[in-house]
Amino acid sequence: EVQLVESGGGLVQPGGSLRLSCAASGFTFSSHSMNWVRQAPGKGPEWVSYIHGSLGVIYYADSVKGRFTISRDNAKNSLYLQMNSLRAEDTAVYYCARDQRSGNLDYWGRGTPVTVSS
Amino acid sequence: SYVLTQPPSVSVAPGQTARITCGGSNIGSISVHWYQQKPGQAPVLVVYDDSDRPSGIPERFSGAKSGNTASLTISRVEAGDEADYYCQVWDNTSEHVVFGGGTKLTVL
Repeated sequence: EVQLVESGGGLVQPGGSLRLSCAASGFTFSSHSMNWVRQAPGKGPEWVSYIHGSLGVIYYADSVKGRFTISRDNAKNSLYLQMNSLRAEDTAVYYCARDQRSGNLDYWGRGTPVTVSS
Repeated sequence: SYVLTQPPSVSVAPGQTARITCGGSNIGSISVHWYQQKPGQAPVLVVYDDSDRPSGIPERFSGAKSGNTASLTISRVEAGDEADYYCQVWDNTSEHVVFGGGTKLTVL
């Protein structure tokens, strides 16, 4: 059974940093690209970042480029999101999601909440 | 940046058919995916590659495309289908995943 479990969320002050993790199991992690998607309260999902399974290809949404860094450790079946210079508008539930080849996100974790507030 | 346009809300009586649309430029040439999201839960993929269903998704859920509009059709709507529905594509130009604004399906 495919499982994705996010962790690392919490309350942080504006300008602060957080590192999110996503532990994957039930599939060959290195064979799949992965994404981070966030959802602000009362809003729809917003894509944050993509990382290829093994080729090092990375993409970011314009809203986080230069502040967030996606990475993965295939030996540990883990996905990460380093978030720096956090802003109030980064407040959201952050999900990791597995990518299929046609760009659909077929499995999602339950999410980890991030609140940026003083 | 690429924009997907969905109606904010659709209402349907139980047993009837609901159709949710998703408009986008040249959407006919890219794969469209659909997600169902219930309150407090993560989105669930219900249709991928325009019209394919993941295992476990009822046949009542179907997808199609015509011109610059994709659609998700839910036949024989049940109370449990009440949720937010989002369309999604991969935009090759911007190299971004793009979601539509979402449609709230209300079962009357």
